[in-house]
Amino acid sequence: NAGVMQNPRHLVRRRGQEARLRCSPMKGHSHVYWYRQLPEEGLKFMVYLQKENIIDESGMPKERFSAEFPKEGPSILRIQQVVRGDSAAYFCASSPLGQGGRENTQYFGPGTRLTVL
Amino acid sequence: GQSLEQPSEVTAVEGAIVQINCTYQTSGFYGLSWYQQHDGGAPTFLSYNGLDGLEETGRFSSFLSRSDSYGYLLLQELQMKDSASYFCAPRNTGFQKLVFGTGTRLLVSP
Repeated sequence: NAGVMQNPRHLVRRRGQEARLRCSPMKGHSHVYWYRQLPEEGLKFMVYLQKENIIDESGMPKERFSAEFPKEGPSILRIQQVVRGDSAAYFCASSPLGQGGRENTQYFGPGTRLTVL
Repeated sequence: GQSLEQPSEVTAVEGAIVQINCTYQTSGFYGLSWYQQHDGGAPTFLSYNGLDGLEETGRFSSFLSRSDSYGYLLLQELQMKDSASYFCAPRNTGFQKLVFGTGTRLLVSP
């Protein structure tokens, strides 16, 4: 049973380019969360999605960042016109439910390390 | 507002027992999760407390006291591979996003 998959694992972009990060949730999970981690810091929540719906985007920067989780295919986190401050590890997590206790545990993918030159 | 407090670093020797404390302040608290993260790795789920009391999972146990907004992670029979960062992460009601602090770096020496 494959876990949460993310690709690419490493992504290098020049300032002003676009970055697309992909996340495939665990089998049977329909809830996806994106988190960002800067060096020496904890993870910061960005956005929570269900299929075709953004449920909570309270952690997303207002500009340049967008996320989607289409009916078919992986969830995509898109960063337009990247700047050096976007360099970070971006982790995706998935859970089977949107509510609940232990049964709603979020499991994380290996992350995408974005470097902006 | 939200706040989380954990010790920044803890050191211990192999075979020892370590307790990592966590105090939190968050609106709409639902439960407390614990994650382990090795350098360069992904967070790995360790334990979850939705109710007060102790949850035991092998060498790891976690405790929660809702009235004190306090929890801890207990690691027994420490091994070198336990050297990692440990995060307590309150889960909020509503959308259930996890709130992470800066974590506790555990260093296990021989």
